[in-house]
Amino acid sequence: AAGVIQSPRHLIKEKRETATLKCYPIPRHDTVYWYQQGPGQDPQFLISFYEKMQSDKGSIPDRFSAQQFSDYHSELNMSSLELGDSALYFCASSLSEWGPGQTTLYEQFFGPGTRLTVL
Amino acid sequence: QKEVEQDPGPLSVPEGAIVSLNCTYSNSAFQYFMWYRQYSRKGPELLMYTYSSGNKEDGRFTAQVDKSSKYISLFIRDSQPSDSATYLCAMSQYNNNDMRFGAGTRLTVKP
Repeated sequence: AAGVIQSPRHLIKEKRETATLKCYPIPRHDTVYWYQQGPGQDPQFLISFYEKMQSDKGSIPDRFSAQQFSDYHSELNMSSLELGDSALYFCASSLSEWGPGQTTLYEQFFGPGTRLTVL
Repeated sequence: QKEVEQDPGPLSVPEGAIVSLNCTYSNSAFQYFMWYRQYSRKGPELLMYTYSSGNKEDGRFTAQVDKSSKYISLFIRDSQPSDSATYLCAMSQYNNNDMRFGAGTRLTVKP
């Protein structure tokens, strides 16, 4: 079965440079999520998109932006990179389901991650 | 204080042992409670989830949620070396909306 695809898998950048991470969700999934996981830390939710519109925003720095395109793939753009941005960046996709009272969870499927190293 | 607290371990047990992993949380609005397993250098994968309170069993795994105590648990029976991974609890108020993770507990099951 097709999984979430992330590219690149590894990225090395210098401070103050920019980086673009790409995510290709599972076919027919309409929601994409981005997470940042620092070394030894839990994944921190950054931002999500549903049907190409931003649906939720977490702890995403102002230096970062993201969008979802018509083919549902998403890109995370990171500017003015700092040493502290070095982390594993995960993308996840799911079928959306909003609202309370739903007992069936639409599972988030995670990609393999992009390891960003800022030197 | 974080919304979701989880003892990071590490936890080391012999093969065949019963493992108990726990998380506490502060947001009483959480309704969905998930357990993810993450192998090194891989993305988290969903093990089990529970909606609201109660127990759920799937093979060797049992998830429990006690909303009155804001406490969730994952039990692994007859643990195997292949269970060695980091286990993350996660929870959300609405289905898939702004999921909050615990720090993850690193588990090692020794043959």
